[in-house]
Amino acid sequence: DSGVTQTPKHLITATGQRVTLRCSPRSGDLSVYWYQQSLDQGLQFLIHYYNGEERAKGNILERFSAQQFPDLHSELNLSSLELGDSALYFCASSGTGDNEQFFGPGTRLTVL
Amino acid sequence: AQKVTQAQTEISVVEKEDVTLDCVYETRDTTYYLFWYKQPPSGELVFLIRRNSFDEQNEISGRYSWNFQKSTSSFNFTITASQVVDSAVYFCARGGKLQFGAGTQVVVTP
Repeated sequence: DSGVTQTPKHLITATGQRVTLRCSPRSGDLSVYWYQQSLDQGLQFLIHYYNGEERAKGNILERFSAQQFPDLHSELNLSSLELGDSALYFCASSGTGDNEQFFGPGTRLTVL
Repeated sequence: AQKVTQAQTEISVVEKEDVTLDCVYETRDTTYYLFWYKQPPSGELVFLIRRNSFDEQNEISGRYSWNFQKSTSSFNFTITASQVVDSAVYFCARGGKLQFGAGTQVVVTP
């Protein structure tokens, strides 16, 4: 158990819908990262938050957004969902700098 | 983008054989970090090792060992005396916002 929690574990929804994925980092970790894992794109970095502030963006679509709250949990919002958004979404947390990131169990999103 | 390349898509071995996973990275940075993660069939990503670019000493942890060669931009991973529980996808990554390789599927059969 990495200490990072993600909910829900599975999510099935329809095209055009909006969903919210939630992540709670390990106790004491200020950084939260979001990644998408799909068969065609592999593991891709989406976005990084540190202590509530956005620090870096990767290949995140404009339809996607994230935030980190004062209690350090983070949410990833995916809207106007398309079939191609079906993937495993991971959250990871770390301390400062380039410390190792510890990953949550992931949320498997299926868009029908 | 600065790529991380894992050229081996899948490696199949029989239990007790050694297996080496290759990782080659690109970077323009003088200081950087490299990582290996394991993804077993259950799907979670398990951290294995972090290596700083200024520390080229090889590392051994039990049956796992890592060979970091800055001159060839490689960070290879060896599993000695493989076991069925080692069956997983192994990812090499360059950090902070991790740039992952495509992963290598390791299949260990009894």
